[in-house]
This record gives sequence, C-alpha cells and structure tokens, in this order.
Amino acid sequence: DAKTTQPPSMDCAEGRAANLPCNHSTISGNEYVYWYRQIHSQGPQYIIHGLKNNETNEMASLIITEDRKSSTLILPHATLRDTAVYYCIVRVRGTASKLTFGTGTRLQVTL
Amino acid sequence: DAEITQSPRHKITETGRQVTLACHQTWNHNNMFWYRQDLGHGLRLIHYSYGVQDTNKGEVSDGYSVSRSNTEDLPLTLESAASSQTSVYFCASSESGGPQETQYFGPGTRLLVL
Repeated sequence: DAKTTQPPSMDCAEGRAANLPCNHSTISGNEYVYWYRQIHSQGPQYIIHGLKNNETNEMASLIITEDRKSSTLILPHATLRDTAVYYCIVRVRGTASKLTFGTGTRLQVTL
Repeated sequence: DAEITQSPRHKITETGRQVTLACHQTWNHNNMFWYRQDLGHGLRLIHYSYGVQDTNKGEVSDGYSVSRSNTEDLPLTLESAASSQTSVYFCASSESGGPQETQYFGPGTRLLVL
C-alpha cells in the first residue's frame, strides 16, 4: 500500500468548510483513497473513498487530483462534533481488506 | 440494527494472567480484525480473519491469539498478559467483495495490565 502524508493538525471555525489534505505521491493505478475519522475514545468511522473521480456523500466530499498524487477531504460545514483525527489511507481494493492507519490529522473545530 | 460490540469495555488484569477480549458482530460479515491503539503509534493490526476457521497474523501479533469458530465472533486472547499490552483494543468487521469493503469498528476495550 502506498504511503500517505498528512499535516498533524488543523483548525477550522464552526460553520466553515474544513479542507483536509493528503499526499500519496506513490499511489498505484489500482489503489483507492479511503478516509476514516476517529472521534475521541471511539472506534474509527468510515467517511468516504474514491479511485480517481471526485466523490460526495452525506458526510463529505473527496477531491482527487488528476494525477492522483494527492487528495482533499472537504467537510462543507464543520461542526464541533467534527472535531476528530482524520486518517487518509491508500490501498488496493479487494486484497486483504487490511487498513494501515498512519497518525492522521487532528482537526479542531472551534466556535 | 446490526452492530459490532466489544466486551468488556474496561479491564484491569495482572501480569502473567490470560485475558480474553470478546468481539461480536451481527452483520454476518466474513472479515474480522483486531487492532490496538497506543499513543504515537496509531492503530496497528494484531490478527484478522476472512472466515470461519481462518486466522492470520498482523503486524503486532506476538503474545496474542484468535480463533474463529463462527461468523459472528472473533475473540482475542492474551496468553500471558504483559505491561506492554496495556492499550486500547478495537475490533472491526467488513463484508468481502462489497463495493466499499468498509470496516466497521466496535467501541473499543481499554486494557490495563499491572
């Protein structure tokens, strides 16, 4: 699985969009980008995933660059409950189903 | 509603004792996983299973064992607990071959080994 790089921490004002970047410059053609988050003391929670097209669901949007070497998770209207550690994970779908978690980005949403 | 549960949620034990952490899921998922989470390390995979009677070692499997006798349960056993195994343990499950292969995590078990 390709390695990912994320900033260790970010701040966002409540109600504003939170844009969380992830660098995965060694990504292979068959590797997907997954995003999970972990709210304090809880188990990780799936957010969204994509291959090369931008994706949107009820929680977030995922923007993947054309060369697929980086991506951005967008929380359109961050709330205090979005304060969490966000993990960007790259892996081949259909193989092993193992997730390799890095240290993620700690997002702090403030009033 | 289908769910994944872990028990106990908190456990204190002594060095050298055998401890078993339970994980139960009602989604009928084939895949089940055990992770541990420690400060500075993120989540690390201990063991995983792709179905009944199947078990595999993860990156930090020493001192741990699992068995899969049915689809719903994957208990994690610490054969002889050590202080280095003080951690938060998360169980997860996923459906094989689904469009997302999303892993669903349990609430975690906090284990303290004295």
